[in-house]
Amino acid sequence: SAVISQKPSRDICQRGTSLTIQCQVDSQVTMMFWYRQQPGQSLTLIATANQGSEATYESGFVIDKFPISRPNLTFSTLTVSNMSPEDSSIYLCSVEDWRRQRETQYFGPGTRLLVL
Amino acid sequence: KQEVTQIPAALSVPEGENLVLNCSFTDSAIYNLQWFRQDPGKGLTSLLLIQSSQREQTSGRLNASLDKSSGRSTLYIAASQPGDSATYLCAGRLQGGSEKLVFGKGTKLTVNP
Repeated sequence: SAVISQKPSRDICQRGTSLTIQCQVDSQVTMMFWYRQQPGQSLTLIATANQGSEATYESGFVIDKFPISRPNLTFSTLTVSNMSPEDSSIYLCSVEDWRRQRETQYFGPGTRLLVL
Repeated sequence: KQEVTQIPAALSVPEGENLVLNCSFTDSAIYNLQWFRQDPGKGLTSLLLIQSSQREQTSGRLNASLDKSSGRSTLYIAASQPGDSATYLCAGRLQGGSEKLVFGKGTKLTVNP
């Protein structure tokens, strides 16, 4: 399976600040995804990030709040901007690697964010 | 809109017991369904992927089934072990080539020694 790392693994941030989360994959992948898992809730897709194009955001998520970069096929960042306590969540990076196992999605360890 | 429900939300069993976790989805036009486990403080680990044309998949002590007509999938765990304790999530992908997975809230499994 694809090996995915995320930085930071956890952080505590103040209201109004921004945090950038990094996602690194051990191989080149076409599609990368960013999810949010709020306490007691299921995973919700924030956006899909393809290299060389603008990220595609799901309903309820906007680029100004969650800007995403995808500079190459192994790396992506998600920024949580102007944070509020409601942004406290686990943020997960995911990839789909058709060369390894068709249509299986692999996930990083997640970034636990607490906003005070 | 696809919705995925998992029942029960939590389950506690003694070691060695066989158990079934349930997942139901509202839209039968499902492309595939994937089962994951999530350990505390860690990401998701893919367990099994079932295509819409398949009825079940097996990996070791795990067996997952898919019944599109009834909108249900089950994950069967044989001879449960304390190491199986985790939250199990199912996620469905709709037909039409959408890459979006729709997740259930998960079942938190505790296997007691």
